[in-house]
Amino acid sequence: DAGVIQSPRHEVTEMGQEVTLRCKPISGHNSLFWYRQTMMRGLELLIYFNNNVPIDDSGMPEDRFSAKMPNASFSTLKIQPSEPRDSAVYFCASSFGAYRGRSPLHFGNGTRLTVT
Amino acid sequence: KQEVTQIPAALSVPEGENLVLNCSFTDSAIYNLQWFRQDPGKGLTSLLLIQSSQREQTSGRLNASLDKSSGRSTLYIAASQPGDSATYLCAGNTQGGSEKLVFGKGTKLTVNP
Repeated sequence: DAGVIQSPRHEVTEMGQEVTLRCKPISGHNSLFWYRQTMMRGLELLIYFNNNVPIDDSGMPEDRFSAKMPNASFSTLKIQPSEPRDSAVYFCASSFGAYRGRSPLHFGNGTRLTVT
Repeated sequence: KQEVTQIPAALSVPEGENLVLNCSFTDSAIYNLQWFRQDPGKGLTSLLLIQSSQREQTSGRLNASLDKSSGRSTLYIAASQPGDSATYLCAGNTQGGSEKLVFGKGTKLTVNP
């Protein structure tokens, strides 16, 4: 199994530009999570999908952030317009089952976003 | 609001030493708890999962325990090796149905040969 695949690995963009991060979860997993990691705040959950449906997006910081999961094998996180404070490492993770922490969470290698 | 504290923030030990990493939750009603390892530039790898009906889990040289009465967990690493050098994070969700795993900021471990 290739694991959770994220692209791109690195993204450098200018303030105001649109950024799209992509994620392919592990085949057969039906829960998908987007996290953001910074030195100051650590890992923060942005949004959680179960069976392609957004269940909890209370961690999405602003309306500039949006996430979609059009099918079981693909999800995107979009930031429009991007700001320097959005600079962070964004992780996608997946697991099997209606997640209540019962099954291990599998993380991708992340996308390091730098907004100048 | 659930907060997670990991102590120490960093730890440097000589190879072969046994060590303990600590994790505590402000809300002790932990439902499930996971310990993760993060290598530089990488995502997190799940090491051990303690489910709601369990108190500890073991995998090789690693042992994790959870004291639900105090909301504290420990990760014990036996006979540490340089390859164990990484950041270790704990995460838990609370009883009551929260889907969110709340993460600590991690303990950065360096094992010196």
